[in-house]
Amino acid sequence: QKEVEQNSGPLSVPEGAIASLNCTYSDRGSQSFFWYRQYSGKSPELIMFIYSNGDKEDGRFTAQLNKASQYVSLLIRDSQPSDSATYLCAVSNSGNTPLVFGKGTRLSVIA
Amino acid sequence: GAVVSQHPSRVICKSGTSVKIECRSLDFQATTMFWYRQFPKQSLMLMATSNEGSKATYEQGVEKDKFLINHASLTLSTLTVTSAHPEDSSFYICSARGNDGYTFGSGTRLTVV
Repeated sequence: QKEVEQNSGPLSVPEGAIASLNCTYSDRGSQSFFWYRQYSGKSPELIMFIYSNGDKEDGRFTAQLNKASQYVSLLIRDSQPSDSATYLCAVSNSGNTPLVFGKGTRLSVIA
Repeated sequence: GAVVSQHPSRVICKSGTSVKIECRSLDFQATTMFWYRQFPKQSLMLMATSNEGSKATYEQGVEKDKFLINHASLTLSTLTVTSAHPEDSSFYICSARGNDGYTFGSGTRLTVV
């Protein structure tokens, strides 16, 4: 059974701070790693994906992957109230395989 | 980028009736589509993998006779919830993998009364 674990939160950070979201996965065969943001009642929207060990930066977002530790994280710099949402970590194997989602971490950015 | 159009966005039906949800890939061919279900405050759970021209693959615990999936073309997959009951009320989301990664439909909020 492939599992993706996230702290459900809520994680509260003040506006302008760095939010750190963590995720671990059980399947060592996982190849692709994704972070999605989901607002209540809406479909998930992709924030970032990462395939290789190390860091990947895109604007205020940085994804970090450590395959040896089976650990993925997402850092959000200069957090804004509009970043308040549920963040879903998802992994997949190679090819056209489905994403396996974690339960999500609810982030609240306090103005 | 790749777009998946999902309809309807919201549906209310009576217990015992059937509801069909459609997902179309608009600018790419999706040989495979994934159907997820999300209950309140929970994550997306994979229900089934829909393959064009062949039978869908269902996850453990998902009744294939209740959740009928048809993937008759490279751009259209449908999920029919048959004999719906209140416990089937949920948020149903389809997804397909395009060149840019996984694309999600906008979701269908099903309420069975």
